[in-house]
Amino acid sequence: DAGITQSPRHKVTETGTPVTLRCHQTENHRYMYWYRQDPGHGLRLIHYSYGVKDTDKGEVSDGYSVSRSKTEDFLLTLESATSSQTSVYFCAISVHFVGHGLAPGAEAFFGQGTRLTVV
Amino acid sequence: AQKITQTQPGMFVQEKEAVTLDCTYDTSDPSYGLFWYKQPSSGEMIFLIYQGSYDQQNATEGRYSLNFQKARKSANLVISASQLGDSAMYFCAMREDQGAQKLVFGQGTRLTINP
Repeated sequence: DAGITQSPRHKVTETGTPVTLRCHQTENHRYMYWYRQDPGHGLRLIHYSYGVKDTDKGEVSDGYSVSRSKTEDFLLTLESATSSQTSVYFCAISVHFVGHGLAPGAEAFFGQGTRLTVV
Repeated sequence: AQKITQTQPGMFVQEKEAVTLDCTYDTSDPSYGLFWYKQPSSGEMIFLIYQGSYDQQNATEGRYSLNFQKARKSANLVISASQLGDSAMYFCAMREDQGAQKLVFGQGTRLTINP
């Protein structure tokens, strides 16, 4: 795998408090993503990054911000948590395989997920 | 705009039968990649197969194959000889290869294999 770890794995927080989720990778991959997964909605893209300090909004970015001050860390912040942000959050990176004797291809590697409950 | 559509919310298949999970996509980028993932009840995302838009042949990985029809913008997953352990959610995803390489997913199909 690509050495992705998410922290925390579980969190319960109160409405109105800020929350930061961390995604850490060990392979210096350029492209990183944050998704939320809710029943009936699949994985919806919140924000993504294509380099240090280069980020953009996904389809459900309201109420969330991100930062990427170094390649290995991509932080997702809920500025003021609401009950509608109760969800499972996944971080992912995408990788192209080219050269070095590898068959051309690609894969997206996922973290283990963070279950966030806002009460 | 980049979009992925999976039209089958759920499918039920008899063990040992082949199953096709549908996926259609829309993009204006001439270079892109298509992915399929399996998510069992334990929650982790398991990569199954990848198809590049310029690949001449359909991708295959063991019992999984991707039926790529570029003109129709479809990338269906075919699972041959289904097994009970194939019961899971399956997600199709697309990444445009230019620019920021946004990676988007479909809503998923829940596959249930019956004994």
